[in-house]
Amino acid sequence: GAGVSQSPRYKVTKRGQDVALRCDPISGHVSLYWYRQALGQGPEFLTYFNYEAQQDKSGLPNDRFSAERPEGSISTLTIQRTEQRDSAMYRCASSLVGQGEQFFGPGTRLTVL
Amino acid sequence: GDSVTQMEGPVTLSEEAFLTINCTYTATGYPSLFWYVQYPGEGLQLLLKATKADDKGSNKGFEATYRKETTSFHLEKGSVQVSDSAVYFCALSVGNTGNQFYFGTGTSLTVIP
Repeated sequence: GAGVSQSPRYKVTKRGQDVALRCDPISGHVSLYWYRQALGQGPEFLTYFNYEAQQDKSGLPNDRFSAERPEGSISTLTIQRTEQRDSAMYRCASSLVGQGEQFFGPGTRLTVL
Repeated sequence: GDSVTQMEGPVTLSEEAFLTINCTYTATGYPSLFWYVQYPGEGLQLLLKATKADDKGSNKGFEATYRKETTSFHLEKGSVQVSDSAVYFCALSVGNTGNQFYFGTGTSLTVIP
C-alpha cells in the first residue's frame, strides 16, 4: 500500500462495549506506534512494536487498553469496557527503523456515548 | 521528564508575512527534533527534522535549527502562503533506539490572502 491505513475511520460505540482498532503499516516497516490525540492536543504515545514484539507499553492508560501485532505487520489496539473519556482520535504510525521518520495514518475517530 | 513546549496559537498571518513558531524542549539525552504538519482533514506529515546540535532542517521554505544552548527548535518561514494553513507540531525522539516520541500541543496557523 501507499501509506499507513487505519480502520475504521470513525467508530461510535456505547459505553461498556469493546472496540478493536486496526492499523496496517507501510510494507516493510519494522516499527509501529499507537498514539491517542485529544482535540486541540498533540499525539500522546501509547505503545510501540518492533516487528511482533511490544517494546514499550508505558503509555497505555490502564489495563482496559491492549495492543498486539502477532505477525509483525498489522496491529490491533483493543479497548475493553469503553468509557466516555476514551473518546479521541487514535493514530497509528510506522517507521523503517526506530529513529527514522514516522509515517502516520489518517486515524480512527472513536466516540463513546 | 522529556517534553516539548511550543507556542500557543492560533496564529493568523497575511500572505507573504514572516512566520515563527517557537518550540523548546527538555530531554535527558541527545534527542532528535522534528516538525510535523497536519493539513485540514489529513494525517500528520513530517515537515523537517534535525538529529544533532546546530543541524538545520529545511523543507518547502520552512527552516528550523537545533539549538542545544537554548534547547530550542523554532520553525521559521520567510513568506507564508495560504496553502501553509495547518496545525504544526514540534516533537522529539529520545531513548537508545529513538523510539520514544513526545509531541507538543500543536500551533494552528491560518494564512489569509
